[in-house]
Amino acid sequence: DTAVSQTPKYLVTQMGNDKSIKCEQNLGHDTMYWYKQDSKKFLKIMFSYNNKELIINETVPNRFSPKSPDKAHLNLHINSLELGDSAVYFCASSSRDPEQYFGPGTRLTVT
Amino acid sequence: GQNIDQPTEMTATEGAIVQINCTYQTSGFNGLFWYQQHAGEAPTFLSYNVLDGLEEKGRFSSFLSRSKGYSYLLLKELQMKDSASYLCAVRDRGSNYQLIWGAGTKLIIKP
Repeated sequence: DTAVSQTPKYLVTQMGNDKSIKCEQNLGHDTMYWYKQDSKKFLKIMFSYNNKELIINETVPNRFSPKSPDKAHLNLHINSLELGDSAVYFCASSSRDPEQYFGPGTRLTVT
Repeated sequence: GQNIDQPTEMTATEGAIVQINCTYQTSGFNGLFWYQQHAGEAPTFLSYNVLDGLEEKGRFSSFLSRSKGYSYLLLKELQMKDSASYLCAVRDRGSNYQLIWGAGTKLIIKP
């Protein structure tokens, strides 16, 4: 199936740990994104990346870092996890068409 | 600044018509999107408006008035499966063309 996939779907971890969330798209898109959706359901852009340019939302703590091994992957690494990092994280991708295609989400719970 | 407002929740009856409004303020409007998000799932693209007027796609239509900073999503012949959150998002030149999202409108369909 052509899609955006991300792993894991659920992630429960303790404060202070470091974790990564993986994202892959096989749509041939050249731009990928990471979003955070909090308990109030606001979707907030964290990063967008098109293998030439990384755009970082200035409100994102530097504990969060995107890593892109190739055009089809954009992983999210989080250092020193905090309680407030608990949320659903969505990966998305797009091409020249305006719509973005979202992955299934990763529900992160920090205890 | 940037601001997107939409009602928090709406209720409608199966078979009826419902209109979900969205008002926005951005520094560099470059298109408005509507996405549907079922509980626990990823957002999926519904419509995109960049010029004033009505875009129709099956049971769903989306309208845009750039001068008024206003859009609506019209859902006809409502079905139970239309129960979901509907997210309005604006692409903003002033934010590196990233999407600025509203909090979503939770639509409840009753038999």
